[in-house]
Amino acid sequence: GAGVSQSPSNKVTEKGKDVELRCDPISGHTALYWYRQSLGQGLEFLIYFQGNSAPDKSGLPSDRFSAERTGGSVSTLTIQRTQQEDSAVYLCASSPVVSNQPQHFGDGTRLSIL
Amino acid sequence: DQQVKQNSPSLSVQEGRISILNCDYTNSMFDYFLWYKKYPAEGPTFLISISSIKDKNEDGRFTVFLNKSAKHLSLHIVPSQPGDSAVYFCAASASGTASKLTFGTGTRLQVTL
Repeated sequence: GAGVSQSPSNKVTEKGKDVELRCDPISGHTALYWYRQSLGQGLEFLIYFQGNSAPDKSGLPSDRFSAERTGGSVSTLTIQRTQQEDSAVYLCASSPVVSNQPQHFGDGTRLSIL
Repeated sequence: DQQVKQNSPSLSVQEGRISILNCDYTNSMFDYFLWYKKYPAEGPTFLISISSIKDKNEDGRFTVFLNKSAKHLSLHIVPSQPGDSAVYFCAASASGTASKLTFGTGTRLQVTL
């Protein structure tokens, strides 16, 4: 596709369950970023990938959060034992390289923890 | 610690007039700044950016001004159109941080007829 694709667009789950969010970046983009936006807040950086490696995981809120990227393309963000404070919109972005270039965002996954 | 601040949560402007959205930052290491526009249920869309070596960048109806000494940037939209109604986010990054973006909390712009 032409843009960054994220799935699912919405996810409702019970507290304590694991969830997996998927991001398919723009073809050829080597840099991939995960952010989240909680209600009324700006976007908060979580993690970025350069190719398949994640040099900066500093934004992950806890060890319940993990992410991987395979084949330099699709990335998954996994949240284990979800808590209500994990409810947010999770956004993925990609850019051609890791440098001062605009990041292009997907439409996000709205995660609601009951 | 909010390193990028957008102090106006909302702004209302008449169609055809100028919209000015403001952003302040505290981290002197930031050297690349961007504005994104966001509609409900969609991801942010890149609008315009500016490097710290410049003080102005223009793209059509959108102009971004950077005042490094004041750690302030602004987005001007002229003329404003109803389709510009959205939430606008200011973002910044520092060289050597892999373009990790730090965002403000956004300003909701309403362009009225």
